[in-house]
Amino acid sequence: DSGVTQTPKHLITATGQRVTLRCSPRSGDLSVYWYQQSLDQGLQFLIHYYNGEERAKGNILERFSAQQFPDLHSELNLSSLELGDSALYFCASSGGQGEGIQYFGAGTRLSVL
Amino acid sequence: DAKTTQPPSMDCAEGRAANLPCNHSTISGNEYVYWYRQIHSQGPQYIIHGLKNNETNEMASLIITEDRKSSTLILPHATLRDTAVYYCIVRVAHNQAGTALIFGKGTTLSVSS
Repeated sequence: DSGVTQTPKHLITATGQRVTLRCSPRSGDLSVYWYQQSLDQGLQFLIHYYNGEERAKGNILERFSAQQFPDLHSELNLSSLELGDSALYFCASSGGQGEGIQYFGAGTRLSVL
Repeated sequence: DAKTTQPPSMDCAEGRAANLPCNHSTISGNEYVYWYRQIHSQGPQYIIHGLKNNETNEMASLIITEDRKSSTLILPHATLRDTAVYYCIVRVAHNQAGTALIFGKGTTLSVSS
């Protein structure tokens, strides 16, 4: 158990819809990272928050957004969903900024039908 | 971050040592070698990291060549539960710009009885 909690584990929705994925980092960790893993793209970094502020963006679509709340949990919002958004979404946390050791949650599997 | 090259797949018999190579010929002086693994659709798991000295922990050993252009992750007594994709990542330990882990395709290790 990494200490990082992601909910829900599975999500099935239709094209055009909006969903919210939630992540609770390990106790004391200030950084939250979001990654997407699809069959054809592998693991790709989406966005990083540190202590409530956005620190880095990766290959995140404009239809996607995220935030980190004062209690340090984070949410990833995906809107106008397309079939190609079906993937595993992982959240990771670390104590500081941009650290090489990150702890990953079990992921949310999103299926867009 | 330096680029890494890993073989796409390797096989290992249960109980034998698994030696996973990684080439990183463009590694910079302040970059570390990190190893993660991902067991079928679970979140990636940190294994070990090192700068230039060999490192060992309860999971594995990391051997880095003297010129730092390549390294080997060693699982001393592989078990079926070690079947996973292993990722070698080269980067600085702390990146204030907040950049995340960059995952390549990794090496799929198959351990068989």
